[in-house]
Amino acid sequence: ETGVTQSPTHLIKTRGQQVTLRCSSQSGHNTVSWYQQALGQGPQFIFQYYREEENGRGNFPPRFSGLQFPNYSSELNVNALELDDSALYLCASSFPSPNYGYTFGSGTRLTVV
Amino acid sequence: AQSVTQPDIHITVSEGASLELRCNYSYGATPYLFWYVQSPGQGLQLLLKYFSGDTLVQGIKGFEAEFKRSQSSFNLRKPSVHWSDAAEYFCAVVHPYSGGGADGLTFGKGTHLIIQP
Repeated sequence: ETGVTQSPTHLIKTRGQQVTLRCSSQSGHNTVSWYQQALGQGPQFIFQYYREEENGRGNFPPRFSGLQFPNYSSELNVNALELDDSALYLCASSFPSPNYGYTFGSGTRLTVV
Repeated sequence: AQSVTQPDIHITVSEGASLELRCNYSYGATPYLFWYVQSPGQGLQLLLKYFSGDTLVQGIKGFEAEFKRSQSSFNLRKPSVHWSDAAEYFCAVVHPYSGGGADGLTFGKGTHLIIQP
């Protein structure tokens, strides 16, 4: 059983640029959610994808967008990067019902300079 | 709005001593409850979860947690800590009827556990 894998592990971007982060879900999981974890904080929910559609969103602006592919992998795109976007971005895969729990990847550390 | 409070930002415990990490939640309904652990620079590992039934749940690595509805609490315990338990611990909740967890997990700010030799 493969876990959740995220790429890249680290990257540095300049303010105003765009970035794409990638996530492969755990085998058998068809739901993917993304979280932003600022330094010293708990993760915050960005959005969730199920059947290639966004079915839930946290308090994040539209410049945070995503995709889910037929193989259930996912991308997080952030446009017009701001310094405050510097964070660890975590991907979690699951089944649609929350009572199955969530499996997290190791994250992508994004630094915006 | 739902919220999770972990009152202790840092806790220092001697190796071999017992541990209790506190978690309180504010939610319209009884949520599903989770404890996760995060080592530096790593993702989150699930320690245990509570959905219903027996209010004392057992998890991995010798951890357990007790759900107390009257106190809106879900405290994490371990009878004897090991140096390898040093990490960040997060309590999280999710709405049980959100049609697929589409509200996402709501996390506390975490408790940093330091183990003294």
